[in-house]
Amino acid sequence: GQQLNQSPQSMFIQEGEDVSMNCTSSSIFNTWLWYKQDPGEGPVLLIALYKAGELTSNGRLTAQFGITRKDSFLNISASIPSDVGIYFCAGLLFGNEKLTFGTGTRLTIIP
Amino acid sequence: DTAVSQTPKYLVTQMGNDKSIKCEQNLGHDTMYWYKQDSKKFLKIMFSYNNKELIINETVPNRFSPKSPDKAHLNLHINSLELGDSAVYFCASTTDRGNTEAFFGQGTRLTVV
Repeated sequence: GQQLNQSPQSMFIQEGEDVSMNCTSSSIFNTWLWYKQDPGEGPVLLIALYKAGELTSNGRLTAQFGITRKDSFLNISASIPSDVGIYFCAGLLFGNEKLTFGTGTRLTIIP
Repeated sequence: DTAVSQTPKYLVTQMGNDKSIKCEQNLGHDTMYWYKQDSKKFLKIMFSYNNKELIINETVPNRFSPKSPDKAHLNLHINSLELGDSAVYFCASTTDRGNTEAFFGQGTRLTVV
């Protein structure tokens, strides 16, 4: 089946640094989503992207829908301690009603 | 007010037992889901119901049986629990089957010993 690979698998950064992560697929998707999961909680939607090439921001977060429709990118600027967690991309193809989730990127902030 | 709530949050049980996890959403959504998150944090869909009708049934052992008494509730019953069933199970909902923005519950951590 479809698989979404996220890179990097984990990141260790200092507070204030910018973060970049990406998600790639072997298949095209019509919708890309980015979720964040805090420890002991369920994933929470951060950004939704609906069009190839689309660039969308949510505060310090910016995500892009890749032009090939096979990838997406998430950037976090000026990281803060509450950014710690696991970030998941997810893709949806029209006519297929289930989200496919990526493998996750774990973000840790070093004091 | 919790939008998607699951009970229990933690469940420890012995192999061979039968257990249920309950989920309720107060968002007025039509579609509900069960996901399984393994120890590597990989999230995989198990089932989806739209207005009490099963629409997605992934390759899941038939020991797992979802039940939706109404569109606000989706329960998961597991028979003859096995060690490999240990995972975190998440309930989620969307406004309808074509919508992508899923709201997740807090998860139920199931440990089979």
